Order: sequence, then structure tokens, then C-alpha cells
Amino acid sequence: DIQMTQSPSSLSASVGDRVTITCRASQGMSDYLAWYQQKPGKVPKLLIYAASTLQSGVPSRFSGSGSGTDFTLTISSLQREDVATYYCQKYNSAPLTFGGGTKVEIK
Amino acid sequence: EVQLLESGGGLVQPGGSLRLSCAASGITFSSYAMSWVRQAPGKGLEWVSVICGSGGITYYADSVKGRFTMSRDNSKNTVYLQMNSLRAEDTAVYYCAKAPVQSCYKYFDYWGQGTLVTVSS
Repeated sequence: DIQMTQSPSSLSASVGDRVTITCRASQGMSDYLAWYQQKPGKVPKLLIYAASTLQSGVPSRFSGSGSGTDFTLTISSLQREDVATYYCQKYNSAPLTFGGGTKVEIK
Repeated sequence: EVQLLESGGGLVQPGGSLRLSCAASGITFSSYAMSWVRQAPGKGLEWVSVICGSGGITYYADSVKGRFTMSRDNSKNTVYLQMNSLRAEDTAVYYCAKAPVQSCYKYFDYWGQGTLVTVSS
């Protein structure tokens, strides 16, 4: 099975900073990758699918890139409401594994 | 508006059984694959199982294979998760999640609010 490794596991950044989160797959998987945001005490929310396609209604400061084994989620200008844990998920085949998560905080 | 409503969670002893339900509304239910995803207290998301839109094909995480069974009743717009031989490590909030198409191999565009399962003596 393909393993998904996210890094860093947590980060602290200032409002307005550019934030990048990485997800690495143990095998190539084309662009079958999604990103989710889970705010404290809330349900996960889909941000990006197909590695780089923004889900409807998601602010344009979020973007995704990558293909094969290396993927990134970028927040171009961090806002206070972006405090959350972010997860990647592979979906090229079962198991539909999630990464371990990256907790984003405001410095 | 798409709504997913889980039910059936609760406290169960190790070795016991529980059946979760997820009732969907606002969608043509049979057109979509559905999954269960769980989150242990203070931990990350763990995919548990998926059932394709046709209802005939299911997949499971290794951690639950042979103990959990997912099914769906398209006439009731409901998916189920039968959980047997429960262990302490199965304690988690269980979310029902919808895929955007029938295919089992997809991401999740809608999530329910979750139901808490606690396995403890």
C-alpha cells in the first residue's frame, strides 16, 4: 500500500505569510490527491482535489501542486481563519489513505 | 442541500458490536460512493471503508478488515457500518463522507457531523 507522509507536522507563521505544506507518497500516484482543512472542533472540509483543482467556494489564497510522489498545499497569505489542521488524502486506489496532518497556528 | 446524518454511536465493551447508520438527503443517493472515516481523540483522520455507488463493491482498511462490514440500502438513502469484535483502539468519532461520483476511488466532498464510538469496560 502507498504511504502518505506529510511535513511538517506543525508550523507557526504570521498573518500574511506564505505557508507551504508537503505530502509525499511512497509510490507514484499521478494527481489522485486531495487536501482537507479541519478547524478545531469542526468537520473536515475539502479544499483541493486532483492535486491542484480548487473546490468551489474555497478562497483563492489556497493552491495545490504536484504529481507523482510529491505534492504541496500553499496558502499564499495566511489569515487568522486558516488556523486548522490540514490533511492530504490519496485516492488512486484503496486504501484511501490520509496523511498524518499538519497543524497550522498563528505566531 | 446535501445532508449526512450519522447515528448509532455509543459506549460498548471490548469484544462487543455496534451498527452505525448514515442517512443522506438532498442527493440521488445511489449515484455516489460513500465512506466511513474515523478520528480517535486528539488524532488524525483514518479512512475506514468505502462502498461504491452500485453497492456491490467494498474496501476496508487493514485495521478493520474482517471485523467491520459496510453496506448500503439505496431505497432508504442510508449506509451502514456493522462493527464487531470492537477494541479499545476503535474508539473514535466516525464520520460518514460522500464521494462526488459512483467510483470508490475518489475524494470526499461532503461530510457528516460524526458519531462517537467509545470502546471501554
